[in-house]
Amino acid sequence: AQTVTQSQPEMSVQEAETVTLSCTYDTSESNYYLFWYKQPPSRQMILVIRQEAYKQQNATENRFSVNFQKAAKSFSLKISDSQLGDTAMYFCAFMKHAGNNRKLIWGLGTSLAVNP
Amino acid sequence: EAGVAQSPRYKIIEKRQSVAFWCNPISGHATLYWYQQILGQGPKLLIQFQNNGVVDDSQLPKDRFSAERLKGVDSTLKIQPAKLEDSAVYLCASSLWDIRKGVTDTQYFGPGTRLTVL
Repeated sequence: AQTVTQSQPEMSVQEAETVTLSCTYDTSESNYYLFWYKQPPSRQMILVIRQEAYKQQNATENRFSVNFQKAAKSFSLKISDSQLGDTAMYFCAFMKHAGNNRKLIWGLGTSLAVNP
Repeated sequence: EAGVAQSPRYKIIEKRQSVAFWCNPISGHATLYWYQQILGQGPKLLIQFQNNGVVDDSQLPKDRFSAERLKGVDSTLKIQPAKLEDSAVYLCASSLWDIRKGVTDTQYFGPGTRLTVL
């Protein structure tokens, strides 16, 4: 069974600085997807970034980038130039590539506070 | 492109009452999901539809929860009767079904319905 671990329940960063959120996962699958979702206080779940395991290049979306280490089963999220609007709960999630029932397996989340 | 729509956004009911939530997925998305998210936890999948068929409802408490997606588009989730522990945010998500690959793609979420059971 797949598992996703986020070892940092809470983090804080000063506005304009850079922060890295950690995520590790366990799977025997060779091909899969990894996601970072953001959930602000409004509770809407927003996709931040997605990585396909067969792609070696790390995904980037504006100020958000990942460090995907497949052998180490690590998928960290780097937020550059942090903004107050980045304050949210961040969830790491895993989904296998093949099969009909492809559930998202979620980590427990990291609560990020961006301080002015 | 319009996102996933959900209503109502908030609902407060007494225990033992009934409640229903509605979800309209992104146009063209064949796969629809309902999640329950209790405060401080990650989402828990309740049910997954592929068009109007159920793919996974293994974590749906079937004695009180029901869901349907009759025409393969909109979906409703019902709780009858509600319990105090059902207080949570109910999230609906949808994803595209890639016919060529036979797989579902990234899940996009609606704004959620916050349910409080008193």
